Amino acid sequence: DAGITQSPRYKITETGRQVTLMCHQTWSHSYMFWYRQDLGHGLRLIYYSAAADITDKGEVPDGYVVSRSKTENFPLTLESATRSQTSVYFCASSERELAEQYFGPGTRLTVT
Amino acid sequence: GQQLNQSPQSMFIQEGEDVSMNCTSSSIFNTWLWYKQDPGEGPVLLIALYKAGELTSNGRLTAQFGITRKDSFLNISASIPSDVGIYFCAGHSGGSNYKLTFGKGTLLTVNP
Repeated sequence: DAGITQSPRYKITETGRQVTLMCHQTWSHSYMFWYRQDLGHGLRLIYYSAAADITDKGEVPDGYVVSRSKTENFPLTLESATRSQTSVYFCASSERELAEQYFGPGTRLTVT
Repeated sequence: GQQLNQSPQSMFIQEGEDVSMNCTSSSIFNTWLWYKQDPGEGPVLLIALYKAGELTSNGRLTAQFGITRKDSFLNISASIPSDVGIYFCAGHSGGSNYKLTFGKGTLLTVNP
């Protein structure tokens, strides 16, 4: 049971480049979330999705784009990466009507 | 917006000792969740609480949903080295809002 996976696990990119982080879940959960985790800030919500083709902004959406054409996938794109986007990114999912979110293993992104 | 105050920020204990940590909020939550994050991994759900006053155990872990619905507590009994990690609380206000509010975490170190 794969659960929720993220790829790549580690990524180094240059300022200004576009980079896409992938998230895939096998539970058919309706809701999916993207967070970034930084020292001193904890987990902050970037975007979330209630279902395929339904997405909404979280706390820190600027500089990020998401899509959800299929229930199981929720990619996060940094259109033009900046050093301030160096962080650890976590994807999570939850069933409809329930609060419990299940997290992926994370992607550590470094923007040079 | 909603904020969670999690304390203590860090703890350094001897193996075998019991541990207590808590989260308080200025707002009411309908669900409290406790997660553990190991280094380099994503948060893993430990315990979910759904009713005010509820006390729930998971092995050596016991968590309580505060009677005011504004706080929650996590206790770990007879700590072992693998308990090392960051423990997060999260609150969910319910309804159609599926977002979680996270505490900043408690870093637990266990000395063998």
